[in-house]
Amino acid sequence: EDQVTQSPEALRLQEGESSSLNCSYTVSGLRGLFWYRQDPGKGPEFLFTLYSAGEEKEKERLKATLTKKESFLHITAPKPEDSATYLCAVQGNTGTASKLTFGTGTRLQVTL
Amino acid sequence: DAGITQSPRHKVTETGTPVTLRCHQTENHRYMYWYRQDPGHGLRLIHYSYGVKDTDKGEVSDGYSVSRSKTEDFLLTLESATSSQTSVYFCAISEGHPYNEQFFGPGTRLTVL
Repeated sequence: EDQVTQSPEALRLQEGESSSLNCSYTVSGLRGLFWYRQDPGKGPEFLFTLYSAGEEKEKERLKATLTKKESFLHITAPKPEDSATYLCAVQGNTGTASKLTFGTGTRLQVTL
Repeated sequence: DAGITQSPRHKVTETGTPVTLRCHQTENHRYMYWYRQDPGHGLRLIHYSYGVKDTDKGEVSDGYSVSRSKTEDFLLTLESATSSQTSVYFCAISEGHPYNEQFFGPGTRLTVL
């Protein structure tokens, strides 16, 4: 069974204070690892897909990296508008081919 | 934004009544999904569809049924609503391999009294 664990559950940063969110996973044959951002009362917004260990992707202040056991979402010089819950999900090779297994998220608050 | 709408956006109902939630997409994507999101559980897959009239169960399918008679519409029915089905329900779509990322709708908040 695929599993995803995200840490920390919550993180409070000051504006400009860089940090990283962790996503640890176990999966039978990784098809993809996905990062989403979710604002309160809204649906998850797609950020990145990573397919293989060593891959990195960037978007503005966010950079996602992948190893064989975990992924990190690095946030450089965050701003208050980066405050949101960040979700990680994996898709494995077995079982329901289209199924994503989600973690419970990291709630990020960035203050002035 | 991906062209996904959900209706209704909010609903309050009573235990034992049937409820149908609708998901509509304008992207012509093959795959459609229904998830529920509850505190401490993350997003969990209820049912999904891989084409018109082709559906399959997810990990929390008991008490739910789905139908897809057109590419653009995916309906989720709670046959007899229970308080444990109080949740936020999200619809998602994807093109399928190799574009496996899923795009989510705005959600429906359902309260069962």
